[in-house]
Amino acid sequence: EIVLTQSPATLSLSPGERATLSCRASQSVSSYLAWYQQKPGQAPRLLIYDASNRATGIPARFSGSGSGTDFTLTISSLEPEDFAVYYCQQRSNWPPLYTFGQGTKLEIK
Amino acid sequence: QVQLVESGGGVVQPGRSLRLSCAASGFFFGTYGMHWVRQAPGKGLECVAVIWYDGSNKYYGDFVTGRFTISRDNSKNTLYLHMDSLRAEDTAVYYCVRGTGHNYAYLDLWGRGTLVTVSS
Repeated sequence: EIVLTQSPATLSLSPGERATLSCRASQSVSSYLAWYQQKPGQAPRLLIYDASNRATGIPARFSGSGSGTDFTLTISSLEPEDFAVYYCQQRSNWPPLYTFGQGTKLEIK
Repeated sequence: QVQLVESGGGVVQPGRSLRLSCAASGFFFGTYGMHWVRQAPGKGLECVAVIWYDGSNKYYGDFVTGRFTISRDNSKNTLYLHMDSLRAEDTAVYYCVRGTGHNYAYLDLWGRGTLVTVSS
C-alpha cells in the first residue's frame, strides 16, 4: 500500500501570506494525486486533481505541482476562508482504490 | 440542485448491522462511479468502498474484511452501504461521494455525511 506523508502537520500563517504544503508518497504515483480542503463541520472539497489541474470553481490562488513521489499545494495569497485542513490523495491503477495523507492543518497565526 | 444526501446513521451495538442510503439529485447518477468514505472523530479520511456506474465492479478497503456491501439502484438514484458485524472502530462519519476521472478515483461531489456510532 502506498503511504502518503504530509508536512508540516500544522502551518501557522497570516492572511496575505503564501502557503506551501507538501505531500510525499512512499513510491511513485506518477501524477495521480489530488488535494482536498476540509473546513470544520463540513465535507471535504476537491481542489486539485492529476497533481496540477484545478477543479471546477477553485480560485486561481490554489495551484498544485509535482510528480512521482513529491507534490506541493501552493496558496499564493491566503484569504481568511482558506484556513482549514488539507488532504492529499493518491489513486492506484489496480485495485482501483486510494489512500489519503494524514492532513495538514493551516491555521491563522 | 446537484447534491448527495445520506441517511441511516445512528447508534448501534457492536456486532449489529446498519444500512446507509444516499439519495442523489441534479446529475445523471447512473453515469458515475460512487464511493463511501469515512472519517472517525478527529481523524483523517478513509476509503470504504467504490462501485462502478453500472454496479458491475465493487472494491473495498482492506479493513472491511467482508463485513460491508456497497450497492446501488440507478432507477432510484440511490447508493447503499450495508454494514454487518459492526465494531467500535467503525464509528465515523460516513460520506457518500461521487467519483470522476480514471477509475472514478477523484472525489468531486460530497454529501454532508451521516454519523455512525458503534457502542454498547
